[in-house]
Amino acid sequence: SQQGEEDPQALSIQEGENATMNCSYKTSINNLQWYRQNSGRGLVHLILIRSNEREKHSGRLRVTLDTSKKSSSLLITASRAADTASYFCATGSGAGSYQLTFGKGTKLSVIP
Amino acid sequence: SQTIHQWPATLVQPVGSPLSLECTVEGTSNPNLYWYRQAAGRGLQLLFYSVGIGQISSEVPQNLSASRPQDRQFILSSKKLLLSDSGFYLCAWSAQGGGQPQHFGDGTRLSIL
Repeated sequence: SQQGEEDPQALSIQEGENATMNCSYKTSINNLQWYRQNSGRGLVHLILIRSNEREKHSGRLRVTLDTSKKSSSLLITASRAADTASYFCATGSGAGSYQLTFGKGTKLSVIP
Repeated sequence: SQTIHQWPATLVQPVGSPLSLECTVEGTSNPNLYWYRQAAGRGLQLLFYSVGIGQISSEVPQNLSASRPQDRQFILSSKKLLLSDSGFYLCAWSAQGGGQPQHFGDGTRLSIL
């Protein structure tokens, strides 16, 4: 079964705007990760946030985690056409938590 | 640096034929290894994972199997493919220990005719 559910399913913005994607999950987690997938390619790891962290930054990416609401958000600032891709959240839970459960993804289109 | 190789990139097979997809990792030792399947417009479904040579855990019962004959080699197989086996297959690795990021190959697009 899928743990994370991204929202929205699709998002279209103009270059330079910010893009926000949300992820909700159902059970307790040890960590939450965000990945990007360009069309027809493998996934690329973007950022990992642990359950005891609330916010994390990496370049133009900002991730927040609210464990009380079981939700996370990924913000991409000053978007570029090259950011066009699908974005997935994945949750790790349980002993060891080396297994991840992926959501269905948000398809982001950045229009030049 | 670590790299992951997955081949072939695309494969067209008739129903009932066998399958062998191979994945190898370089630049790391004793990785966790994973096989996923992704249906069109869907998230990833974990098929198998391995924490060591000869150790395979299956997440979804099906006509696929996996083997890890060497530390950095992971093979996905089937004796007889079904139409429902069509999809995008992704191999990934992570370092040992919990809460590690996973690193993916470029995938194999499998079409069953």
